[in-house]
Amino acid sequence: EDKVVQSPLSLVVHEGDTVTLNCSYEVTNFRSLLWYKQEKKAPTFLFMLTSSGIEKKSGRLSSILDKKELFSILNITATQTGDSAVYLCAVRGGATNKLIFGTGTLLAVQP
Amino acid sequence: DGGITQSPKYLFRKEGQNVTLSCEQNLNHDAMYWYRQDPGQGLRLIYYSQIVNDFQKGDIAEGYSVSREKKESFPLTVTSAQKNPTAFYLCATTPGTGFPNYEQYFGPGTRLTVT
Repeated sequence: EDKVVQSPLSLVVHEGDTVTLNCSYEVTNFRSLLWYKQEKKAPTFLFMLTSSGIEKKSGRLSSILDKKELFSILNITATQTGDSAVYLCAVRGGATNKLIFGTGTLLAVQP
Repeated sequence: DGGITQSPKYLFRKEGQNVTLSCEQNLNHDAMYWYRQDPGQGLRLIYYSQIVNDFQKGDIAEGYSVSREKKESFPLTVTSAQKNPTAFYLCATTPGTGFPNYEQYFGPGTRLTVT
């Protein structure tokens, strides 16, 4: 059965800390891995990764994919309270090429 | 102002009543999806549609129904057969058909509470 597992489930840090969120997957017919940020409403797209070892970066956020070890990490440096959200990882693949979502990591950044 | 709209934002219903959630998009995207999100669980796919007048069941379609009469609209009906309908419902779209390798765009969601 295709699955996506995120860790930790939740995390509390202080402003200025660096955090690393993990996403591992077992999905047949892998096509891409996507990261979303969800702040109590619509998930907003962060990154899509298709190639192993190539870092995607946007400001303080960055992500990298390891297709050999079947995982991805999302790094957030110099965290701010506005980074508080649920971060969702999703993998496109499986028999029907749909998105398979992990349960998410709840990040709380304290002042 | 392009995007996906879902209405209403909050919806309350009595057990045993059917309820329809609206999803409208003006992105000209071909594919539309309905997800359900419960606390501590990831998004689970209910139904999806890749073209007008065609739709397929997702992983948890029992107790739900959809229609796709127009490209812009993909309403979801939660029927009385759905055992645990209270949840946050998200509509999403992607351009193109055949599950192209694009990100999905999400609407703001509808929080349904059934008592």
